[in-house]
Amino acid sequence: EVQLVESGGGLVQPGRSLRLSCTASGFTFGDYPMSWVRQAPGKGLEWVGFIRTKAYGGATEYAASVKGRFTISRDDSKSIAYLQMNSLKTEDTAVYYCTRDLYGYTYGVYYYYMDVWGKGTTVTVSS
Amino acid sequence: QSVLTQPPSASGTPGQRVTISCSGSSSNIGNNYVYWYQHLPGAAPKLLIYKNNQRPSGVPDRFSGSKSGTSASLAISGLRSEDEADYYCAAWDDSLSGPVFGGGTKLTVL
Repeated sequence: EVQLVESGGGLVQPGRSLRLSCTASGFTFGDYPMSWVRQAPGKGLEWVGFIRTKAYGGATEYAASVKGRFTISRDDSKSIAYLQMNSLKTEDTAVYYCTRDLYGYTYGVYYYYMDVWGKGTTVTVSS
Repeated sequence: QSVLTQPPSASGTPGQRVTISCSGSSSNIGNNYVYWYQHLPGAAPKLLIYKNNQRPSGVPDRFSGSKSGTSASLAISGLRSEDEADYYCAAWDDSLSGPVFGGGTKLTVL
């Protein structure tokens, strides 16, 4: 069974750091790009960033709201993706989901989407 | 403010057909595929529709998707109580170089 399990959430003060982990099972982790998506209380889903596979240099992209503060990395030997969050702000309070992504071209049109999601881990930034 | 625009709520009675709209622009829906996710409270979001109108294995054919220009819609026929959930549309955005989501539509089965 394909599964993603997030961990590492908790209560943290503004300005501090936190690292989330996403442990994957049931598929060849290194073959897929991975994303982090968050949902703030009462809000919709917001893409945080993704990391491509090692075949594409493990390149990363981030949403403007977290660029320069958050870093995504991966350890293919352990099937784990990480989200390092620095300089946390109260507006980073959210449930953070890890996703497995699919991408490519169909009929010349680029596709990129999340096909498997974890259940999420809650991050609360508050003093 | 979400990049893609969805109505905040929708409702229907069991057996009815409901549609949820999603509006975007040429940088996202207009030039890329649309995806739909179902999200039940406390659960992992679930992929319902990919590449505008394709259903993953296991998703009932009561769910269907369509796209026209810079808008898309999700239709649910034969509405059931278990369909009560939040529904999100998504698409790749060429300007942002990342995926964008709608604000979500809360579907209530009356």
